[in-house]
Amino acid sequence: EAQVTQNPRYLITVTGKKLTVTCSQNMNHEYMSWYRQDPGLGLRQIYYSMNVEVTDKGDVPEGYKVSRKEKRNFPLILESPSPNQTSLYFCASSLSVPLSAYLYEQYFGPGTRLTVT
Amino acid sequence: TQLLEQSPQFLSIQEGENLTVYCNSSSVFSSLQWYRQEPGEGPVLLVTVVTGGEVKKLKRLTFQFGDARKDSSLHITAAQPGDTGLYLCAAYTGTASKLTFGTGTRLQVTL
Repeated sequence: EAQVTQNPRYLITVTGKKLTVTCSQNMNHEYMSWYRQDPGLGLRQIYYSMNVEVTDKGDVPEGYKVSRKEKRNFPLILESPSPNQTSLYFCASSLSVPLSAYLYEQYFGPGTRLTVT
Repeated sequence: TQLLEQSPQFLSIQEGENLTVYCNSSSVFSSLQWYRQEPGEGPVLLVTVVTGGEVKKLKRLTFQFGDARKDSSLHITAAQPGDTGLYLCAAYTGTASKLTFGTGTRLQVTL
């Protein structure tokens, strides 16, 4: 089954304790992305990756890191989480054809609900 | 300032009613997508509109892209409880690699 998986689905942690949220897709997609979803603010892009070893900042990258060492995986790293990073996080992937990326849908994972106390 | 403004933010209607959701911007987009998100899940693509003035139908859902490609609407005919969810419009910006979402319209359809 074609899917995007995220782990963990739920995480409660304390301020400053480094954490990683994993994301994996089995569709051989080049493009992967991380979003956070907050009430009243909608989905905001954190980082995206056009291909292996190619990453770029989205609209809200502060406090986050990503890496793309393999095509299928795109982990989100919070080096020193803070309470304002409490949110619902989504990973997504899609095919990526230069100049035609907008034609392809993004497939979203089930989400990771993070609480930082 | 939100690049994509959706209205209304909330909509509660009874089964069988019609409704329209709007997505507006001051920017011109090469394309616009509509997604639906159900509780506990990620958004799922409903449609992509590309050409100004384009109208696409998906069963009881009708999507329209404005002539100037700055706005879009989603019309649902004879709403059903299964239509309940969060409806999001989204557009690629910049170098066509960043997908920006609207704030969403939360629809509840009751019996």
